[in-house]
Amino acid sequence: AQSVTQPDIHITVSEGASLELRCNYSYGATPYLFWYVQSPGQGLQLLLKYFSGDTLVQGIKGFEAEFKRSQSSFNLRKPSVHWSDAAEYFCAVGVGGATNKLIFGTGTLLAVQP
Amino acid sequence: EAGVTQSPTHLIKTRGQQATLRCSPISGHTSVYWYQQALGLGLQFLLWYDEGEERNRGNFPPRFSGRQFPNYSSELNVNALELEDSALYLCASKSLAKNIQYFGAGTRLSVL
Repeated sequence: AQSVTQPDIHITVSEGASLELRCNYSYGATPYLFWYVQSPGQGLQLLLKYFSGDTLVQGIKGFEAEFKRSQSSFNLRKPSVHWSDAAEYFCAVGVGGATNKLIFGTGTLLAVQP
Repeated sequence: EAGVTQSPTHLIKTRGQQATLRCSPISGHTSVYWYQQALGLGLQFLLWYDEGEERNRGNFPPRFSGRQFPNYSSELNVNALELEDSALYLCASKSLAKNIQYFGAGTRLSVL
């Protein structure tokens, strides 16, 4: 069955420090992978996506993610975190061919210390 | 370009009532998806509509239903509301050309 695992429920980093959020997926075919961010009381904003090609993808707000097929991972990184990055981050895999639905991880809540 | 819009922002109902949630997709998008984000259960796929037809359905009972109109907007109806239906309901739209779902801000449904 398809699934997405985000092993870290809650992460706290200092402002200016680097960040890595982990994501592992289980899917038989070539995955469509996404990272979304959700601020309190808001919907989901797309940070970046991977469909094919270069395994290091760049997104908005200075985020990047690397697809590693051998590890079934799609970890999100940012070299220097800003206080405005505090939010909940969701990794998702698109399944069913033309991405007819998204399977989400349970999310990682990021807190940023001044 | 306007994003995905959902209404109402908040909805308060009592157990046994019916709730109707609305979604307007991004202009040019023909697919609409509904997700439920309930406390402790995460984000779960509910329904997918495309070109006016229900194309896929998540593991939810039949009292969760909806439709898509000719202008591609969509309604989600929840009948016989139960306390555990309290959640944030998110709508997303997608174009035929791009496999990316764009989300609205959601409707928070509270069942008392």
